Amino acid sequence: EPEVTQTPSHQVTQMGQEVILRCVPISNHLYFYWYRQILGQKVEFLVSFYNNEISEKSEIFDDQFSVERPDGSNFTLKIRSTKLEDSAMYFCASSAVREVGYTFGSGTRLTVV
Amino acid sequence: TQLLEQSPQFLSIQEGENLTVYCNSSSVFSSLQWYRQEPGEGPVLLVTVVTGGEVKKLKRLTFQFGDARKDSSLHITAAQPGDTGLYLCAGEEVGDDKIIFGKGTRLHILP
Repeated sequence: EPEVTQTPSHQVTQMGQEVILRCVPISNHLYFYWYRQILGQKVEFLVSFYNNEISEKSEIFDDQFSVERPDGSNFTLKIRSTKLEDSAMYFCASSAVREVGYTFGSGTRLTVV
Repeated sequence: TQLLEQSPQFLSIQEGENLTVYCNSSSVFSSLQWYRQEPGEGPVLLVTVVTGGEVKKLKRLTFQFGDARKDSSLHITAAQPGDTGLYLCAGEEVGDDKIIFGKGTRLHILP
């Protein structure tokens, strides 16, 4: 069964450093998403991406965050200057069409120290 | 702001019993999805419902979408220990390109 692949599975970074989280969505999917989940809390929407541009973003997705689809397969989330409160599981998801459900990756656990 | 309330937050029952968990909102959704999430893993899609009043069955799991498309329920018949996990509902409002999750129901089935 097709999977969404995320790398790395774990990343520890110092406060103020830049991190790039990588995702390979399912190949024929057109809609791409990033979500995060702080330990013990609910899954929160960050950003959606379609047709090579952001279609929606949340209040969490401020100027420190950016997304990119640099080629036909990868989808990345960059955090420019990490803060302690950015520590969370970050999930990438993709969907073939709207309203049919998303396929999530296994996540990247980001720890900012 | 869209808000999905799931109830109960926690449920612990004996193997073989039936249970229902609920997902409620004041918002109208174009689709509502149920996911299951294991510790340290991403949510896994169980079902998507899009039509008011729709009922979908997945083996012992029955999902219902409310007539007004504001709420949903998940009913499990004859629960088994393998059903233990976190069940999340997520809704997509008309015109949105995102789903918003509830906090989930943590289900524990005792053998």
